[in-house]
Amino acid sequence: SAVISQKPSRDICQRGTSLTIQCQVDSQVTMMFWYRQQPGQSLTLIATANQGSEATYESGFVIDKFPISRPNLTFSTLTVSNMSPEDSSIYLCSVPGQGAPGELFFGEGSRLTVL
Amino acid sequence: AQKVTQAQTEISVVEKEDVTLDCVYETRDTTYYLFWYKQPPSGELVFLIRRNSFDEQNEISGRYSWNFQKSTSSFNFTITASQVVDSAVYFCALRKDYNTDKLIFGTGTRLQVFP
Repeated sequence: SAVISQKPSRDICQRGTSLTIQCQVDSQVTMMFWYRQQPGQSLTLIATANQGSEATYESGFVIDKFPISRPNLTFSTLTVSNMSPEDSSIYLCSVPGQGAPGELFFGEGSRLTVL
Repeated sequence: AQKVTQAQTEISVVEKEDVTLDCVYETRDTTYYLFWYKQPPSGELVFLIRRNSFDEQNEISGRYSWNFQKSTSSFNFTITASQVVDSAVYFCALRKDYNTDKLIFGTGTRLQVFP
């Protein structure tokens, strides 16, 4: 299993500002995933962060709004830019497990509230 | 299109009752994987089970059991003798592509177990 740490765990932000979420994994992984969970909703994949290349974004998500960095195999950041109240969500970092295909390990998430 | 439907948004039971969480999926793939994840109040998703499309055997793990019915595209999850610690949001998920770890999540079912 992988241990994933996310920072911050929660934050309250002002409209128009940007916030960077950090994700640290205790082992080297090729892929890291960023998910968004809006209040009362399911998880939606934002992008896949690959080390050494640009992140791959899902439909509806763009790099200008959600820039991602992946400087090494254990760390990634997701920035939520120019925030609006609609960005209030839990943002979760996840990595694939070493065993069962599709099994993912998740961090505890970063709960953002935008006022 | 690939889709996961969890029609039950919230279920409340009293401790020691059995409870079944429904999951219906749609996919055109002949090979696919289904998952259940638990999200306790702490926010971190916990992997519970993976089932591939070739294996229709039901599985039991302690108080948990899963019923995979390909004929009805369902992958239901039963908790026997529920406990307060089972209170969480449970997500059913489908692996999006064969050669990827991307998951499509259902909207989740919030289970509340009262003492």
